Amino acid sequence: DQQVKQNSPSLSVQEGRISILNCDYTNSMFDYFLWYKKYPAEGPTFLISISSIKDKNEDGRFTVFLNKSAKHLSLHIVPSQPGDSAVYFCAAGQSFGNEKLTFGTGTRLTIIP
Amino acid sequence: EADIYQTPRYLVIGTGKKITLECSQTMGHDKMYWYQQDPGMELHLIHYSYGVNSTEKGDLSSESTVSRIRTEHFPLTLESARPSHTSQYLCASRANRGPSPLHFGNGTRLTVT
Repeated sequence: DQQVKQNSPSLSVQEGRISILNCDYTNSMFDYFLWYKKYPAEGPTFLISISSIKDKNEDGRFTVFLNKSAKHLSLHIVPSQPGDSAVYFCAAGQSFGNEKLTFGTGTRLTIIP
Repeated sequence: EADIYQTPRYLVIGTGKKITLECSQTMGHDKMYWYQQDPGMELHLIHYSYGVNSTEKGDLSSESTVSRIRTEHFPLTLESARPSHTSQYLCASRANRGPSPLHFGNGTRLTVT
C-alpha cells in the first residue's frame, strides 16, 4: 500500500519555463511534507518542506503548494535551469510521535536547453 | 551543511560474504536511519535509531542488522550476502528537535554476485 504517490515517472521541460512536479498522499495523519532532489550516484538532497498549517512555502526558485483537502502537494520550479535535471522525491511524515518519512517513487525531471 | 559519510561508495561482493556498511555523522544528531532504494522505486526504511543503544526495524523487512554504540556511528551489517541484497543503501540523520529534514549520505551501491 503506497501512501505517497508520484504518478509521473518523468517530465521534460524547456529551460526557463516552469516545472511542476506532483505528489499525492493517502494517510491523513501526515502533517509534514518535503521535497528532495537526487543526482545519480549521490544521496538525496533536501530542497524544501511544508507543514500542514500552511498551504504554500517559497524558497528562491522553489515553491511547494499543499492542498490538504485533496491530499495533494506540488513543487514548482521557476525558471527551470539545466542543473535542475535530477530525480525529485516527495516525502511525508508526522511531526510528532512517529517521525519516520515515507517516500514516493520519484519523478525524473529533464530540463531541455 | 550536513556532514554524513558513508563507506564504501561501491561494493561488489560474492554470495555468502559478511559485509558492514559504514555511516558516520559529525552533527551530534541522535536520530539516524538506513533506507534501501532500488532503481525507479521509493526509498524504504529498513532501520532507525533514536540514540545510543536504541535500534528499531523499519517498514521494510531486512536481513541486515544495525548497532548504535556511539552517537556518531551507525553501521549496517549483512551476515551472509545474497544477490537479493543488491541495492543502494542510504544512511541519514536528522536534528534532535523535530520536525526537521533528513540529511543523507551519498549512499553505498552494493552488488552481490
